[in-house]
Amino acid sequence: EPEVTQTPSHQVTQMGQEVILRCVPISNHLYFYWYRQILGQKVEFLVSFYNNEISEKSEIFDDQFSVERPDGSNFTLKIRSTKLEDSAMYFCASTGSSGQPQHFGDGTRLSIL
Amino acid sequence: EDQVTQSPEALRLQEGESSSLNCSYTVSGLRGLFWYRQDPGKGPEFLFTLYSAGEEKEKERLKATLTKKESFLHITAPKPEDSATYLCAVQDGRGGSNYKLTFGKGTLLTVNP
Repeated sequence: EPEVTQTPSHQVTQMGQEVILRCVPISNHLYFYWYRQILGQKVEFLVSFYNNEISEKSEIFDDQFSVERPDGSNFTLKIRSTKLEDSAMYFCASTGSSGQPQHFGDGTRLSIL
Repeated sequence: EDQVTQSPEALRLQEGESSSLNCSYTVSGLRGLFWYRQDPGKGPEFLFTLYSAGEEKEKERLKATLTKKESFLHITAPKPEDSATYLCAVQDGRGGSNYKLTFGKGTLLTVNP
């Protein structure tokens, strides 16, 4: 069964550094999302991406964050100048149709020191 | 603002002891309600989508139901392998093309042998 894959599974970075989290969505999907889950808290929406542009972003997704689909398979989340509070699990999700279930990867655990 | 509240936060059952998990939601126009299962260190795994009040879906020992204000996930004769966190999420029909998910905090289910 097709699945969403995310790399790396764990990223440790010094505060102030830039990180890029990578995702390979399911191949025929058109809608892409990033969510994050701080330890012990809810899964929170960050950004949605369709037709090569951001369709919605949350208040969390400020100028520190950016997303890109550099080729036909990868979908990346870049966090510039990381802060301690950016430590969380980051999940990528994709779906083939806007109303259909979103399928999630296993996440990248980001630890900021 | 869309809100999702799940109860109880944690539930411990003996193998074979049936029970129900609750998801109460507030959304302007429900497009879909989703149930996911999340195992430790993994991403949410899709279980069910419910679109309208009165709808029911079943899969093995799980049955999901929907009213205009809440959804229930009924677990019949659970087994230890059903132990996981069960997440409820709603999709607001006003979302346009993005249809982000708003999640509850989840119910941690433990089934003892």
